[in-house]
Amino acid sequence: DAGITQSPRHKVTETGTPVTLRCHQTENHRYMYWYRQDPGHGLRLIHYSYGVKDTDKGEVSDGYSVSRSKTEDFLLTLESATSSQTSVYFCAIRETGGNGYTFGSGTRLTVV
Amino acid sequence: AQSVAQPEDQVNVAEGNPLTVKCTYSVSGNPYLFWYVQYPNRGLQFLLKYITGDNLVKGSYGFEAEFNKSQTSFHLKKPSALVSDSALYFCAVRDGGGGADGLTFGKGTHLIIQP
Repeated sequence: DAGITQSPRHKVTETGTPVTLRCHQTENHRYMYWYRQDPGHGLRLIHYSYGVKDTDKGEVSDGYSVSRSKTEDFLLTLESATSSQTSVYFCAIRETGGNGYTFGSGTRLTVV
Repeated sequence: AQSVAQPEDQVNVAEGNPLTVKCTYSVSGNPYLFWYVQYPNRGLQFLLKYITGDNLVKGSYGFEAEFNKSQTSFHLKKPSALVSDSALYFCAVRDGGGGADGLTFGKGTHLIIQP
């Protein structure tokens, strides 16, 4: 959808290890977003980007950092994974020239 | 701050009957409103959006939603439910005043269509 690829699709990692999730888009969209989805919470915004090297915090940013060194890639890093970060992570883009948002297929992360 | 409330965790409807999934919102500026659907182990699929114009918005798969500014609501509706409509539905809002803000989502409503 809209050329958005998330990797990996699934990952199991141990508590305390660093983890990086990647979101790649092929259509030169300016705005990119990282959400996490948890039962009973819907989707909550972690971080977002409004351009290369331009990022800002969302609602649940503690324990996460992001980087955007080129337009097409938006990386989400868990510096030291905790069990509370077990979740499904979605990347999204805001469509250029419009107001729609398109989501990637998600990354299921389990921290053990 | 913006917020969305979906007051029902689950809605059960018999196949062929009309369905409604409720959503109310709070936003400081003009609301941009969205409905998404999620099937098990899948991503979010866009159903419809209200940005401006006609209060009745028609979307994918026969769904529609009505924007009601006075009641700050954006309920999702379908005249005749199908078993295949069973899924998790999310309402979302953004302040239309510009900026890079992402969407704020409700907690989701499980829609179960019974044969």
